[in-house]
Amino acid sequence: NAGVMQNPRHLVRRRGQEARLRCSPMKGHSHVYWYRQLPEEGLKFMVYLQKENIIDESGMPKERFSAEFPKEGPSILRIQQVVRGDSAAYFCASSSGQGDTDTQYFGPGTRLTVL
Amino acid sequence: QQQVKQSPQSLIVQKGGISIINCAYENTAFDYFPWYQQFPGKGPALLIAIRPDVSEKKEGRFTISFNKSAKQFSLHIMDSQPGDSATYFCAALDSGSARQLTFGSGTQLTVLP
Repeated sequence: NAGVMQNPRHLVRRRGQEARLRCSPMKGHSHVYWYRQLPEEGLKFMVYLQKENIIDESGMPKERFSAEFPKEGPSILRIQQVVRGDSAAYFCASSSGQGDTDTQYFGPGTRLTVL
Repeated sequence: QQQVKQSPQSLIVQKGGISIINCAYENTAFDYFPWYQQFPGKGPALLIAIRPDVSEKKEGRFTISFNKSAKQFSLHIMDSQPGDSATYFCAALDSGSARQLTFGSGTQLTVLP
């Protein structure tokens, strides 16, 4: 299966702990996007990365959130000192970076619950 | 200006009926409009997409109608089936600048057997 992979699928953290979410893009894709989906809402853009570069982080909260996409390995979204308001589904998407529309394909998501 | 407004929030249709979901946008720089289908516990899956140089695109039972002057587009699902029951999101992209998709708030479709 060459689709976008995310792990873990479910993550439970207590307030103040760190959450690390991983995303492996589709084979051949070098562009990664992270989106957050709150209950009963649409997806909200957080950050767009290419290998070793953050291209657009305009949707990322200024504090506690960081993202990386290293030369080797998956992209990681890190949330430090989690709070209850961070509870959401976090989706990763990938694209080839080619063409005008550059279709984004989504992974199954990581559902974060903060106790 | 970055918003995409989607309606209705929920929709119940009888099997075989037509499901219609509407979206409106403000940003005239948007030039790519995909629709995603999401089942519970899954990620969004691309269903169909349109560029503003055409007014309609059809793929099987799914049709996008696009009205550039009104800045509106809609998804029509013909002969709706219970298996179509899912949440549908419209989205928009400005391919000339940021690559971020701007999503509507979603429509929960239920097709009754």
